[in-house]
Amino acid sequence: DAGVIQSPRHEVTEMGQEVTLRCKPISGHNSLFWYRQTMMRGLELLIYFNNNVPIDDSGMPEDRFSAKMPNASFSTLKIQPSEPRDSAVYFCASSPNNEPDTQYFGPGTRLTVL
Amino acid sequence: AQSVTQLDSQVPVFEEAPVELRCNYSSSVSVYLFWYVQYPNQGLQLLLKYLSGSTLVKGINGFEAEFNKSQTSFHLRKPSVHISDTAEYFCAVSEDSGAGSYQLTFGKGTKLSVIP
Repeated sequence: DAGVIQSPRHEVTEMGQEVTLRCKPISGHNSLFWYRQTMMRGLELLIYFNNNVPIDDSGMPEDRFSAKMPNASFSTLKIQPSEPRDSAVYFCASSPNNEPDTQYFGPGTRLTVL
Repeated sequence: AQSVTQLDSQVPVFEEAPVELRCNYSSSVSVYLFWYVQYPNQGLQLLLKYLSGSTLVKGINGFEAEFNKSQTSFHLRKPSVHISDTAEYFCAVSEDSGAGSYQLTFGKGTKLSVIP
């Protein structure tokens, strides 16, 4: 089975530009999570969805960040406008109904904002 | 609110030696505990988890962890490490959100370096 798929794997952009990160969860998984990993703050949960519905977005840093899950097989995390302090690795993870305690992580998107 | 403390940011150990990576948590309710491993430039992979039952949990790659409620700890151990165990290890705690999904809070991670 394919794991969680994230694209792009690397993104370099300039400050002020819009950035869109994409995630395809494992088929059949009903929960999806977005995390950000930095040296200073470690792994932080940004937002998570259950059955395509956002449940908790309290970790989203500010209004420049938004996430959507239009269907069970696709989610996006958008940053507009991007800033250098957004530079981080962004992970997507999903978990299935029959094992909701276990999250399966994608390989991450390394974002660099110049 | 729940939190996780990993006391050691880096642990060097010689190959075939035993290792213990420490994790302490705080939570006001019953918790579920996890250890994840992250190899360089990869996502996190579940090593083991404690949900209930036996306090000694065995995971993949020969790792095990013991849940100690009185000490609020969940230390990870391996009796003999291999070069391939070099990675970063994350302890995590979770509460059931009630919405059918579990929200994880991660520690800052411990980098294990196995020395040949």
